[in-house]
Amino acid sequence: SQTIHQWPATLVQPVGSPLSLECTVEGTSNPNLYWYRQAAGRGLQLLFYSVGIGQISSEVPQNLSASRPQDRQFILSSKKLLLSDSGFYLCAWRPANTGELFFGEGSRLTVL
Amino acid sequence: AQKVTQAQTEISVVEKEDVTLDCVYETRDTTYYLFWYKQPPSGELVFLIRRNSFDEQNEISGRYSWNFQKSTSSFNFTITASQVVDSAVYFCALSEHLRDDKIIFGKGTRLHILP
Repeated sequence: SQTIHQWPATLVQPVGSPLSLECTVEGTSNPNLYWYRQAAGRGLQLLFYSVGIGQISSEVPQNLSASRPQDRQFILSSKKLLLSDSGFYLCAWRPANTGELFFGEGSRLTVL
Repeated sequence: AQKVTQAQTEISVVEKEDVTLDCVYETRDTTYYLFWYKQPPSGELVFLIRRNSFDEQNEISGRYSWNFQKSTSSFNFTITASQVVDSAVYFCALSEHLRDDKIIFGKGTRLHILP
């Protein structure tokens, strides 16, 4: 069966420090991969999605980036964190030929 | 452009009452998918239902039911005989068509079931 893991689960970082959140999917090939951010009172905001290795579509962020170095690996990065980057980050995958998203456990980032 | 509106930010009902969560969507596509997800206090999102734009039949699953009406662009979710375990944030989402691969979520409705 398919599983998705993301880490770290919790992170406290100072403003201006770098960020790397990692997500991997097991038990499937060529999944579509997604990064969402959930800030307080703002619902789920789509940040990036990827339909294949090296293919990244960006929706919103200015200082965040994503990479997909391997088929089942999706990384969210920042060179310099802002206070506004605090939130709950969710990785998700979706089989290419069906509709629903399956989510990881989430990573809670606090920028101080 | 696709958009999902969940106008109810927070709802509180007493246990055993019925409650309906509203979802209104906007899309220019004729082919699209609608979803509902539940986010319990643990934070992980749990998939509840997917509905495609060509299937307007209402669906019932136990105490949960969904009312899809294309005429009003709504996909409402009703919990019958609510229970405390139903307390969570509920998200409605829209995907315009599979090839696009973008799924947009509403802001969610926080549901409190009071004992």
